[in-house]
Amino acid sequence: SQTIHQWPATLVQPVGSPLSLECTVEGTSNPNLYWYRQAAGRGLQLLFYSVGIGQISSEVPQNLSASRPQDRQFILSSKKLLLSDSGFYLCAWSTTRGNTIYFGEGSWLTVV
Amino acid sequence: GENVEQHPSTLSVQEGDSAVIKCTYSDSASNYFPWYKQELGKGPQLIIDIRSNVGEKKDQRIAVTLNKTAKHFSLHITETQPEDSAVYFCAAIPSGGGADGLTFGKGTHLIIQP
Repeated sequence: SQTIHQWPATLVQPVGSPLSLECTVEGTSNPNLYWYRQAAGRGLQLLFYSVGIGQISSEVPQNLSASRPQDRQFILSSKKLLLSDSGFYLCAWSTTRGNTIYFGEGSWLTVV
Repeated sequence: GENVEQHPSTLSVQEGDSAVIKCTYSDSASNYFPWYKQELGKGPQLIIDIRSNVGEKKDQRIAVTLNKTAKHFSLHITETQPEDSAVYFCAAIPSGGGADGLTFGKGTHLIIQP
């Protein structure tokens, strides 16, 4: 069966510090990968998606970037965090032919 | 692109009563409609989905109905229990999908009153 792992689960970072959130998927090959953010409200905002290694599409211009160095690894990064980057970040995957998206457990980021 | 509207934003029901959450979509080509449940501090989990060739689907206390003509679909939870308290998201995706995946509604906070 397929599993998705995301870490760290919680982190508190000072303004201006770098960020790296990692996500890996097991049990499938060539998945589509996604990063979402939930800010103060409940909505799911798509940040980035990737259809293959090195292929990143950005949905929202921002202070963040994403990379996919391996088929089942997706990384969310920032060089300098802003207070507004605080939120709940979710990694997700789907098959290339499927429609269902499966989410990881999320990472709580607090920028202080 | 697709636009999904979800109502209500908050729903409070007595334990044992039924809850209904409604969504409308704009793209008539959409053909897959999943529902997710998100508990506090966790990622959303798929609870039920329906495809456009089906009008209704049930799984124990949960059911989803789809009206393609009106472009709306609904989640029905019967005999609600405290563990049903969560945020629920509807979503839609058009035929052929898209690498950017599903379009989500803004969520419904379901509160089950004891």
